[in-house]
Amino acid sequence: DAGVIQSPRHEVTEMGQEVTLRCKPISGHDYLFWYRQTMMRGLELLIYFNNNVPIDDSGMPEDRFSAKMPNASFSTLKIQPSEPRDSAVYFCASSRGQITGELFFGEGSRLTVL
Amino acid sequence: EDQVTQSPEALRLQEGESSSLNCSYTVSGLRGLFWYRQDPGKGPEFLFTLYSAGEEKEKERLKATLTKKESFLHITAPKPEDSATYLCAVQDRRYGQNFVFGPGTRLSVLP
Repeated sequence: DAGVIQSPRHEVTEMGQEVTLRCKPISGHDYLFWYRQTMMRGLELLIYFNNNVPIDDSGMPEDRFSAKMPNASFSTLKIQPSEPRDSAVYFCASSRGQITGELFFGEGSRLTVL
Repeated sequence: EDQVTQSPEALRLQEGESSSLNCSYTVSGLRGLFWYRQDPGKGPEFLFTLYSAGEEKEKERLKATLTKKESFLHITAPKPEDSATYLCAVQDRRYGQNFVFGPGTRLSVLP
């Protein structure tokens, strides 16, 4: 089975532009997570979904960030407008909730906002 | 608030030189403690889950142990391919599927 697929792998944009990151979770996984990783703050949970429903979005930094999961095989994380402090690696991960602990991560989307 | 700290921040070992990485945690109700390995430019990769104090798990040269306040990842006779960042994470029973990650230990094993 293919792993978690993220796109784009790299994104360079200018401040103020809209950024959309995409994720395809592993088939059959009912939980999907969005994490952000920086040198200063490490891995931070932004939001997670269960069966396509957002459960906890307390980690979303501010209204400029939004996430959707329109179906079981696709999720997006959108930043509008983007700012230089949003530069980070954004990871998507999925899991089968009953079996705790094993998150399957994608390879990440490295975002640079100039 | 759940907290996870890891030490040391970075560790350099000679090939074959065994050592241990530490993960200290504060949670009100531990559902599980997890170890992940992360290679540069990649997402974290799951290694172990530990559920209760006294539990141990092994995989090749790695052995993870758990007490009520900390976990150790013991690396026996490491090889250069063990070089990576090792992340510890906890799950609190109060917060559903929320995983709180530590900052990681960057391990370099020199040939």
